[in-house]
Order: sequence, then structure tokens, then C-alpha cells
Amino acid sequence: ETGVTQTPRHLVMGMTNKKSLKCEQHLGHNAMYWYKQSAKKPLELMFVYNFKEQTENNSVPSRFSPECPNSSHLFLHLHTLQPEDSALYLCASSRTGGFSAFFGQGTRLTVV
Amino acid sequence: AQSVAQPEDQVNVAEGNPLTVKCTYSVSGNPYLFWYVQYPNRGLQFLLKYITGDNLVKGSYGFEAEFNKSQTSFHLKKPSALVSDSALYFCAVRDTSHPVSNFGNEKLTFGTGTRLTIIP
Repeated sequence: ETGVTQTPRHLVMGMTNKKSLKCEQHLGHNAMYWYKQSAKKPLELMFVYNFKEQTENNSVPSRFSPECPNSSHLFLHLHTLQPEDSALYLCASSRTGGFSAFFGQGTRLTVV
Repeated sequence: AQSVAQPEDQVNVAEGNPLTVKCTYSVSGNPYLFWYVQYPNRGLQFLLKYITGDNLVKGSYGFEAEFNKSQTSFHLKKPSALVSDSALYFCAVRDTSHPVSNFGNEKLTFGTGTRLTIIP
């Protein structure tokens, strides 16, 4: 266990559904991240939050909407997704000067 | 821009033999380099990092990596492979010339991963 927990572990949703992914860490980290992992592609950084403020959005489509209510929790709200959005979504966290990010186990998302 | 290349999608090694997983990088400044491992149905786990100092870095589970600035490489190595080492390995880089906020967030760029299979 890395201290970063993601729920659910698996999610199947239709293209018209609305769902949310949750990430939680109690490591005292101040930065949290969403990554997308697709087969045979590099991990894609989607969003970065520092002290609840979004500091990076890597041209992610608006059908992905992040929310960070506090430094310990991060959500990814999903709506009207496409089949190509099927992937493993990884949450990570890090602390100031720590250099190393801790990852959750990921949510395997399938869009049908 | 920073980038990472892992030239091998798949590496097969016999149990007990030494293993090497290759990684090369490109940055405009000095790099911070990382290796992560992903076991089936799991998230990424941190293995080791190079920030500064000795070029040979030792990490978890007996792994080590050698930073070679002239060859812009950071290959992962282990003297004697175990079947339990079979997993997906990711190299990552952060360019120290990128502005770092006071919060120290990680703008890591990852490679595509190398699947390591240790054959009993």
C-alpha cells in the first residue's frame, strides 16, 4: 500500500452516463495529480493540484472535470465520455521537496 | 521539452541472470530521474531516483540504476533476477530547468514502459 487510495477499482459506463472517480491520501502531501495510462502510450499527466488549487491542465477535454475540495481528496468527474477514454486512471500525490510521487492502484475505466 | 525513451517494449531474462532495462532521456537542463514499477492490477510503485551525487543509485528490491550524463541514459539493473521481478517498468524524468513552484509539484514525464518477464 502506498497510502493513496482510489475508488472504484473498476468502472464500466455508457457514453451518456455521469460518474466520478475518487482519490484519497493521508500522507500529508500538498500536491495531487491525475494521470491517464493507455496501452503502449506514455503516462499522460492530466491535472495537477497544489494546496487545492489547480496549477496544470494539460489540454484535457472538458468531459473530464477535476475537483479538489481539500489537500487530501481529489475527484475526477466524468460525463459524455468516448470509447477512446477507456484507460487506467491513476492518482498520485507528493510533498514539497520530496521529489517522489506516490501512486494509487488506479481505476480501470471502460466506456461502452 | 523533456522526454524519455524506453527502447524495448519487452525484456525476457532467465531467473538468476543479470537484467537491464534501458532508458534514455532528453532535457534542456539537468535531470531528475526516476524508475517506477507496476505489478498487475496495481498502481505505480517508486523504485529509485537520481537527484545528484553518485551516478550509481541503489533502490528497492535490489535494483540499481546508473546515471550516465554523456550518454543521457539511466538504465535499471539487477545482478540476479527473480521471477517476482516480472512487471512493467517505467522510467521518468523531470527537467530541473523547469520552474518549480514553492509547492514542489512533480512535472514528471514518463516513458512508454518496458514489460520485464523473468523466466524460471
